[in-house]
Amino acid sequence: SYVLIQPPSVSVAPGQTAKIICEGNDIGSHSVHWYQQKPGQAPVLVVYDDRDRPSGIPERFSGSNSGRRATLSINRVEAVDEADYYCQVWDTSSNHPWVFGGGTQLTVL
Amino acid sequence: EVQLVESGGAVIQPGGSLRLSCAATGFSIKDYTMHWVRQAPGKGLEWVSHISWDGGIKYYSDSVRGRHTVSRDNSENSLFLEMNSLRFDDSGRYFCVKGRFGAAGAFDLWGQGTMVIVSS
Repeated sequence: SYVLIQPPSVSVAPGQTAKIICEGNDIGSHSVHWYQQKPGQAPVLVVYDDRDRPSGIPERFSGSNSGRRATLSINRVEAVDEADYYCQVWDTSSNHPWVFGGGTQLTVL
Repeated sequence: EVQLVESGGAVIQPGGSLRLSCAATGFSIKDYTMHWVRQAPGKGLEWVSHISWDGGIKYYSDSVRGRHTVSRDNSENSLFLEMNSLRFDDSGRYFCVKGRFGAAGAFDLWGQGTMVIVSS
């Protein structure tokens, strides 16, 4: 089945830009979605279809996707952004089509 | 308010059965694909099951295929997961999730989840 790899953790100072990577074979040919999950809460969709934001998600959140790497960028990071972030794709090459990355814990220093 | 509310989670012995339910309010599920996603304590998200808008197409993860069955009742605006032959590694929080558009769509609405603990 398709595999998505994320770094376990990323740390960034307030006001800086956080970049969270998601790697997968030819991920650029897939639509990538990103979710934010805070402790004890359900995940929330923050970016869909590589780079689109649902209503209510700040413009500080953006995404890109090319080749073997998709990236979630969070500009002007705030303490409230501290959370786990998961990438996800739909891959038709297996009978397990919906795949999540392992998740990245973002720490705001 | 648009929301999904899960119920049915419990502490259950290995080999037992459980039926999870998900009630949607504020919108009609009949136009959307729906999913179950689970999360073991302290672990990441794991997709479990998908059902098409009309219930005609179902997919399961390798870990639950043959043991769990997803279903829906659009007239009751509800989604279900019948879980059989439960194992220790079935433990976790089970989220009911709405697909944005079609099979490839992002998961744009999540319930708060219901907890399943498989323990002897």
